[in-house]
Order: sequence, then C-alpha cells, then structure tokens
Amino acid sequence: DAGVTQSPTHLIKTRGQQVTLRCSPKSGHDTVSWYQQALGQGPQFIFQYYEEEERQRGNFPDRFSGHQFPNYSSELNVNALLLGDSALYLCASSWGPSGGTDTQYFGPGTRLTVL
Amino acid sequence: DAKTTQPNSMESNEEEPVHLPCNHSTISGTDYIHWYRQLPSQGPEYVIHGLTSNVNNRMASLAIAEDRKSSTLILHRATLRDAAVYYCILRVALGGSQGNLIFGKGTKLSVKP
Repeated sequence: DAGVTQSPTHLIKTRGQQVTLRCSPKSGHDTVSWYQQALGQGPQFIFQYYEEEERQRGNFPDRFSGHQFPNYSSELNVNALLLGDSALYLCASSWGPSGGTDTQYFGPGTRLTVL
Repeated sequence: DAKTTQPNSMESNEEEPVHLPCNHSTISGTDYIHWYRQLPSQGPEYVIHGLTSNVNNRMASLAIAEDRKSSTLILHRATLRDAAVYYCILRVALGGSQGNLIFGKGTKLSVKP
C-alpha cells in the first residue's frame, strides 16, 4: 500500500517564477492538506482540499493556490516566487471530515529553493 | 486554537525510557491531544492521540493529567531511530471544522548510544 507521494523531490526556481508541486494521497484517503516548513520551524498550514474544493485556508497570500482532482490527487501552485518561499512543502492526506480524532499521513515533502 | 508548550530539546540514552512533557493549560473539554514526530529529512508521522484516559499503542504511551492541562509522551525504550522532533498538538473534536494541524517548534529529542 503506497503512502503519500510527492513530486518533485527537489526544485530550484528564481524569483518571480511560478511553481507547481504535486501530491498523491494514501490509498483510500480523500482529503489533502498542504503545509510549508521553513528551516528550523514546525510546519505551517496552507490549505486543505476535500471533494475538489478548498475547505480551509491558513494565513497565506493568494499567490498560493491549489487544486484537487477527481482521483483525490492535488497540486499546489505558487506564483511570483519570493526568496522567502524557500521551504519544504509537505502534503498530508486523511479520510473524510477532519476533527479531533483523524490522523494525517504526510509525504516526504518537496524541497523548494528560490534564488 | 489552544496552545501547547514543550521544552526545546531533550536528551536520552539508548534503551532507557523517555518522558516528553507538554503543557496545555488552556485546553478545552473537547480538545484531543495529538503527538506527531518528524525524523530527519522526513515528513511528520502520527504517534498517538487521546482525550482523557491514558493511551497505549505500539509506538508509545500517552499519559494525560487528571485536569488535562498537561500530558506526557512516553517512549518505553528509546532507540537511535527515535531521535526526532516531537510535536504536541491540540485538535478540536468537531468534525469538519478544523482541518489543519497547528505545529509549534516541538521538542528535539537526541538519543545517545
């Protein structure tokens, strides 16, 4: 049973460019969340997708957008990249409405470097 | 969301028990206590969660204070593979109202051979 997969593993972009990161959830999961983790910090929630809609969003600008496909996979898009967007981007999957007892399964992340 | 407080770092010797504390004095009656850990160069992984009673699973035990204002994650015999950052997180119980995990800086656990 494959866990959460993310691609690419590493990515280098320059300021002003746009980037798309991809995530395939764990088998049987229908909810995908994205997190940004700066060096030495805990992950910060970006947004969550369920039934192809953005269900919840963290404190991130509109430059960060996403999409969920009918097969539950998801993309994270970041426009007009800034140096501060350099981070590890983590995808997590879970099943159904989130709440107190659900468990999120994380992928290994995509390391984005903006030069 | 209620906040948690954890020590920045802890050290342990291999094969000894480890007690990782977490304070959450503003916890509400419906908040679940979750623990995740993040090994080097990996995404976080779920460890355990509980509401009021102590909980055990194959990875660890969770001891919850009677007033629920603190909890302790217990690793019964630390191994080198347990060296990671451990995050204590509170989650509201209402389904669909909170999709995200709110991570602090966690506790960095070092295990010495």
